[in-house]
Amino acid sequence: GAVVSQHPSWVICKSGTSVKIECRSLDFQATTMFWYRQFPKQSLMLMATSNEGSKATYEQGVEKDKFLINHASLTLSTLTVTSAHPEDSSFYICSAEWTSNTDTQYFGPGTRLTVL
Amino acid sequence: LAKTTQPISMDSYEGQEVNITCSHNNIATNDYITWYQQFPSQGPRFIIQGYKTKVTNEVASLFIPADRKSSTLSLPRVSLSDTAVYYCLVGDNNQGGKLIFGQGTELSVKP
Repeated sequence: GAVVSQHPSWVICKSGTSVKIECRSLDFQATTMFWYRQFPKQSLMLMATSNEGSKATYEQGVEKDKFLINHASLTLSTLTVTSAHPEDSSFYICSAEWTSNTDTQYFGPGTRLTVL
Repeated sequence: LAKTTQPISMDSYEGQEVNITCSHNNIATNDYITWYQQFPSQGPRFIIQGYKTKVTNEVASLFIPADRKSSTLSLPRVSLSDTAVYYCLVGDNNQGGKLIFGQGTELSVKP
């Protein structure tokens, strides 16, 4: 149980294009999902909290107009990187919160984005 | 959000028991302590979670003293495949469930 998937696992795009990453909780419902970004040899950085049916909450310094988040159902959240540039190249990881008394987060396998 | 402090790196040999201690002096009453394992280019994998005393599962044990200001992840008889980064996090749903990752502990297991 508690499996989270991401699609695609990797993507290469040209500068200026937009890329959508999907995060799905496969065997549980997740009211809350989170999006992280990780650069090489660094820890995960929380970008935003995605709540089903409402607007995402972004961390300080994260541009909400550049990183569009949609949490349309209890099993799916999407992150769209708009007008991507090379500095957006990174490893993007989502997590889904299994609502229980401990609200444990389970992470997806990550998506490697390379912007040329 | 409670901040955590862990050793940056640790070395071990196959078959040894490894203990990684995490300090979280400002842990709040509602916070749970969760440990994750991450391999390169993969998402973090849940290892174990606890609130107090001792928790054990099929892969690890978690020791939490009474004051909960620290916790120790114990990996019995490590193998080469346990080489990874281990993260200790504290968090609670009253703060939106956010988990703020520290730098983690890079464990290197040698033959």
